Amino acid sequence: QKEVEQDPGPLSVPEGAIVSLNCTYSNSAFQYFMWYRQYSRKGPELLMYTYSSGNKEDGRFTAQVDKSSKYISLFIRDSQPSDSATYLCAITDTGRRALTFGSGTRLQVQP
Amino acid sequence: DSGVTQTPKHLITATGQRVTLRCSPRSGDLSVYWYQQSLDQGLQFLIHYYNGEERAKGNILERFSAQQFPDLHSELNLSSLELGDSALYFCASSVASSGADTQYFGPGTRLTVL
Repeated sequence: QKEVEQDPGPLSVPEGAIVSLNCTYSNSAFQYFMWYRQYSRKGPELLMYTYSSGNKEDGRFTAQVDKSSKYISLFIRDSQPSDSATYLCAITDTGRRALTFGSGTRLQVQP
Repeated sequence: DSGVTQTPKHLITATGQRVTLRCSPRSGDLSVYWYQQSLDQGLQFLIHYYNGEERAKGNILERFSAQQFPDLHSELNLSSLELGDSALYFCASSVASSGADTQYFGPGTRLTVL
C-alpha cells in the first residue's frame, strides 16, 4: 500500500465550478500537508501548506486536513482555465527529510 | 520563477552512458533535494544534501550518486543508464534541513535514454 493515495483523474469541469481534490494517507505521524500545482513539463510550485488539522484559505484555494480520517482536500472556487494542471498532494513529518507525494490529479477546466 | 535553476533542460543519451545534472539552489538555501518523476512511479525522492553533507537517501539506485559543492550547487550523476531511467529529474531547495521546510522546485531536466 502506498503511503499517499490520490486519484489520478483526469477531472474535467466547466469554468466557474468548485473543484475538490483529495488524498488519503496511511501514516498517522504525518503532520505537514502541502499541495503543489504542476503545469505540463514544468516544476511543481507550492500552493498551500498546512500544519496538523484544520482549514487554510488563500484566495480561491482552501486546504483542509482531517487527521482523524487521514484525509486531505484542496478546494478551488470559481475555477479558471488557467487552473488546468496536475495537482500533487505532499506530506511529511519532522522526522523525515523529504516529501512523500501522491501520484497527482490532472485537472482540466473547460472555458 | 522559484529561483532554483537546473541545467540542462533536456538530455538525450544512449543506454550505458553517464550523465551529470546540475542544480543551483535559491539564494540562502542550504538544502538541496533530488526527485525523479516518471509516468509509472510519480514523483519520488532520491537524495538530500544539507550544506555539503548527505542527510537522507530515498529510492536512489546504486548507479546514481550526488554531491553538493561548497558554493551549494549540487550535481546528480547517473551512470550505466538504462531505458527505464528516462524521466524528469527535479531538484528542490529549502532554507534548513527538515523535510517540513518549504521546498521550492526547479524547472527540471528531462532525460531520455535511447
